[in-house]
Amino acid sequence: DAKTTQPTSMDCAEGRAANLPCNHSTISGNEYVYWYRQIHSQGPQYIIHGLKNNETNEMASLIITEDRKSSTLILPHATLRDTAVYYCIVNRGDYKLSFGAGTTVTVRA
Amino acid sequence: DAGVIQSPRHEVTEMGQEVTLRCKPISGHNSLFWYRQTMMRGLELLIYFNNNVPIDDSGMPEDRFSAKMPNASFSTLKIQPSEPRDSAVYFCASSFWRGAATDTQYFGPGTRLTVL
Repeated sequence: DAKTTQPTSMDCAEGRAANLPCNHSTISGNEYVYWYRQIHSQGPQYIIHGLKNNETNEMASLIITEDRKSSTLILPHATLRDTAVYYCIVNRGDYKLSFGAGTTVTVRA
Repeated sequence: DAGVIQSPRHEVTEMGQEVTLRCKPISGHNSLFWYRQTMMRGLELLIYFNNNVPIDDSGMPEDRFSAKMPNASFSTLKIQPSEPRDSAVYFCASSFWRGAATDTQYFGPGTRLTVL
């Protein structure tokens, strides 16, 4: 699976949009981009995934660049409960999820 | 609906003792995963079951670790004998796996294991 690069940490203000970048320059044509998050003392939670097109669900939006070498997870209105570690994972859609270090997102009031 | 249930939530034991972690997957799911999370190594997949059969145990660290899934609603991860380096948070996850990209994994709350 392709390797991903994410910033170590980022802060955002409550009520504002949080934009989480992820680089995956070696992604293959059949690999998806997945996002999970892990709130402190909980198990990881699936957020969203995509292949080529932008995706949106009740939790977030995923914007994938046309060349697919990078993507951005958007939390439209961040709340304090969104404080977590966010993992960007590239995967062929099989069961092996490789969780890297992720981005520690802190939402501040 | 109940999510993935793990027990115990915390376990403290002494080196050399046997430890058994338990997991009840989401009803109807056909796949179960055991992960381990440490500060040094992050989140690692230990073993994957599909329809109660172990498919991939390449992540199991050594023979001291064993996992079973006697039926679709129960799995155990056993460490015997336990060592201090086994201290970690152990997560169980389940999924209805059809081999499609939409087959997401649902994680339990984890068991925090401390081996003294």
